[in-house]
Amino acid sequence: EPEVTQTPSHQVTQMGQEVILRCVPISNHLYFYWYRQILGQKVEFLVSFYNNEISEKSEIFDDQFSVERPDGSNFTLKIRSTKLEDSAMYFCASSQQGARGNTIYFGEGSWLTVV
Amino acid sequence: AQRVTQPEKLLSVFKGAPVELKCNYSYSGSPELFWYVQYSRQRLQLLLRHISRESIKGFTADLNKGETSFHLKKPFAQEEDSAMYYCALSGVGNEKLTFGTGTRLTIIP
Repeated sequence: EPEVTQTPSHQVTQMGQEVILRCVPISNHLYFYWYRQILGQKVEFLVSFYNNEISEKSEIFDDQFSVERPDGSNFTLKIRSTKLEDSAMYFCASSQQGARGNTIYFGEGSWLTVV
Repeated sequence: AQRVTQPEKLLSVFKGAPVELKCNYSYSGSPELFWYVQYSRQRLQLLLRHISRESIKGFTADLNKGETSFHLKKPFAQEEDSAMYYCALSGVGNEKLTFGTGTRLTIIP
């Protein structure tokens, strides 16, 4: 069965550094997402991406965050200048036709530690 | 605003006993409700959604709009049901899933 893949599985970075998390969504999917989960807290929506643009974003997704689909297969999340509170598990996800009425498939997550 | 509440962080049940994981939601429109499961060291995966009205791995969930609930039930727990369970909601016209805080279910042999 096709899967969403994410790299790296774990990254440690210094505060203020830029981080790029990479994802390969399922190939025939059109909607892409990033979620995050701070340790001990709920899974939170960050952003959705469709037709090469952001379709929705949360309050968490401020100017420090950006997403890109640089080629036909990758979907990246960039954090420009990391803060300690950005430490979390970041999940990439994809679906064929959006959240309603469809299954969203999640990757295994990228654990980001900011020190 | 959309909100999902799972009142139990931890739930332990003996094998063979019935299981009920509670989920309540707050949403002014017509919601779509889901249950996602995360087994140890695995990814989040969809267990079931209310519009399908299906039973997966013996689990069922009924959307009760009057009580704004979507509780997950299984008549006889099995050891392999031990996992983290998340209730989630999708609203009309938006792309996001709003998750509850999750319930860790442990089945006691």
